Amino acid sequence: QSVLTQPPSMSAAPGQKVTISCSGSSSNTGNNYVSWYQHVPGTAPKLLIYDNNKRASGIPDRFSGSKSGTSATLGITGLQTGDEADYYCGTWDSSLSAGVFGGGTKLTVL
Amino acid sequence: EVQLLVSGGGSVQPGGSLRLSCAASVNNYAMAWVRQAPGKGLEWVSAISAGGGTTYYADSVKGRFIMSRDKSKNTVYLGMNSLRVEDTAVYYCAKGRYAYYYGSGACHDSWGQGTLVTVSS
Repeated sequence: QSVLTQPPSMSAAPGQKVTISCSGSSSNTGNNYVSWYQHVPGTAPKLLIYDNNKRASGIPDRFSGSKSGTSATLGITGLQTGDEADYYCGTWDSSLSAGVFGGGTKLTVL
Repeated sequence: EVQLLVSGGGSVQPGGSLRLSCAASVNNYAMAWVRQAPGKGLEWVSAISAGGGTTYYADSVKGRFIMSRDKSKNTVYLGMNSLRVEDTAVYYCAKGRYAYYYGSGACHDSWGQGTLVTVSS
């Protein structure tokens, strides 16, 4: 069971918008920056968002991040079939003194 | 984006040992290991500061795994002892954004290709 909670799966049609949530606690998401990663099985994960809402180099502005309290959100607009992947949130947990990830959200674009 | 070359995976029996290597020009940055077991999500395993003096471990590997780095070889290592079946996973090496790993440093902006570790009798 992951420290951070994400919906296991989401789906949306091409061109639509989706928001993926990441819920934690005061020891992790509540007081530390959140990052988001895209992972296509069989390839290396890719950093999308860091410091809650900053896009990593080369990431299009269709991807956005936000955080409120102990919850973070990844938004993807103008969905493309190439966006089909697993998405993970990650942060530092000050109580565990360890990095933590969410369980991942499998995004289907249909 | 920095290129991270991971090696050292393979098959081992329970109780055995392996050492993973991650070669890259990342001496000024903290580094981490992240794994993905078959059919599961990403799991953070360990991290080390740029200087090598501070290490962090997940509870699931604490006391069994040791992360280290050799700056003269631009290489980071994960020594894995007392391996268990549940350690079976693809192991990724990841670069941190800063020299420190805690707090805002726990963010991975470059990843290696992953190496498979299989623990089975």
